[in-house]
Amino acid sequence: DAKTTQPTSMDCAEGRAANLPCNHSTISGNEYVYWYRQIHSQGPQYIIHGLKNNETNEMASLIITEDRKSSTLILPHATLRDTAVYYCIVTYSGNTPLVFGKGTRLSVIA
Amino acid sequence: DTGVSQDPRHKITKRGQNVTFRCDPISEHNRLYWYRQTLGQGPEFLTYFQNEAQLEKSRLLSDRFSAERPKGSFSTLEIQRTEQGDSAMYLCASSEGLAGGLEQYFGPGTRLTVT
Repeated sequence: DAKTTQPTSMDCAEGRAANLPCNHSTISGNEYVYWYRQIHSQGPQYIIHGLKNNETNEMASLIITEDRKSSTLILPHATLRDTAVYYCIVTYSGNTPLVFGKGTRLSVIA
Repeated sequence: DTGVSQDPRHKITKRGQNVTFRCDPISEHNRLYWYRQTLGQGPEFLTYFQNEAQLEKSRLLSDRFSAERPKGSFSTLEIQRTEQGDSAMYLCASSEGLAGGLEQYFGPGTRLTVT
């Protein structure tokens, strides 16, 4: 699986959009980009995934660049409950073992 | 609550003792995964099952570790002769498998402390 690079930490004001970047320059053509998050003392939680097109669900939006070498997870209106570690994962299938990096620690500030 | 449960939630044991953890996945999920997470790190894959068949084991899974999923439902992870380096959060996840959804659902984890 391709390797990802994420900033160690980010802050976001409550109510503002949180934009979390991820670089995956060695991604293969049929690898997906997945995002999970982990709130303190809980197991990781699936957020969203995509292949080439931008995706949106009730939790977030995923923007993938045209060359697929990077992506951005957008939480449109961050709340205090969005404070968590966010993991960007590149994988051929979400039904196989996931390779987690250290993720980005997002702190939403009131 | 994702529907994946783990028991116990916390376990304190002395070095050299054996411990066993249990994971109950979402009932219709045929894939079950075990991960380990140490402080400040992301989860690391240990092993996973398709129904009762163990498909892959990580090199992290030393011979002191064994996992089973005897009837393709719940799974157990046993650690024999525990060492202080085994202290970690042990996470279980499940997914529908190839024919279903492409996300994994994680349980709350079992935190192991070896003294």
